Amino acid sequence: EVQLVETGGGLVQPGRSLKLSCVASGFTFNNYWMSWTRQAPGKGLEWVASITNSGGSTYYPDSVKGRFTISRDNAQNTLYLQMNSLRSEDTATYYCTRDPAGSDYWGQGVMVTVSS
Amino acid sequence: DTVLTQSPALAVSLGQRVTISCRASKSVSTYMHWYQQKSGQQPKLLIYSASNLESGVPSRFSGSGSGTDFTLTIDPVEADDIANYYCQQSNELPLTFGSGTKLEIK
Repeated sequence: EVQLVETGGGLVQPGRSLKLSCVASGFTFNNYWMSWTRQAPGKGLEWVASITNSGGSTYYPDSVKGRFTISRDNAQNTLYLQMNSLRSEDTATYYCTRDPAGSDYWGQGVMVTVSS
Repeated sequence: DTVLTQSPALAVSLGQRVTISCRASKSVSTYMHWYQQKSGQQPKLLIYSASNLESGVPSRFSGSGSGTDFTLTIDPVEADDIANYYCQQSNELPLTFGSGTKLEIK
């Protein structure tokens, strides 16, 4: 059974940093691109970052480019999202996803609240 | 960026057929995917690459389209289908989602 379990969320002050983790199981992790997608409270879905299966390439929208870094440890079956210079508009539930064609598996999500 | 436009809400009677549309601001070929999100849950992939039914998804769901116009069809609609439905394109970066269509039962 495929499972994606995110951890690391919480309340953080504006300008500070936070690192999310996503532990994957039930599939060959290093065969798949992975992504982070977020959803602000009561709002729609927004793509945050993607990484190739080897970790050699990463992709971001302009809204987080230069502030967020996606990475992976294929030996540990773990995906990461390092978030720096956090802003109030980054407040959202962050989902880890597996991406063969579309996102076929989603974690349960982890809440990040940026507030003073 | 490719903007995806969806109707905000649709109301349908149980047992009827409903089509949810998604229009892209430029061609995305068939790199269009559909998700269902029930209240308090993570999204679930229903259709990938415009018309391919994800494994385990009931055959009541189907997708069609290419280029800029896409539809998700549910036939017949069941009570369990009350949810928000999102389209997403993966033809180009940044990946973008539609704003979602809320399906309501009459």
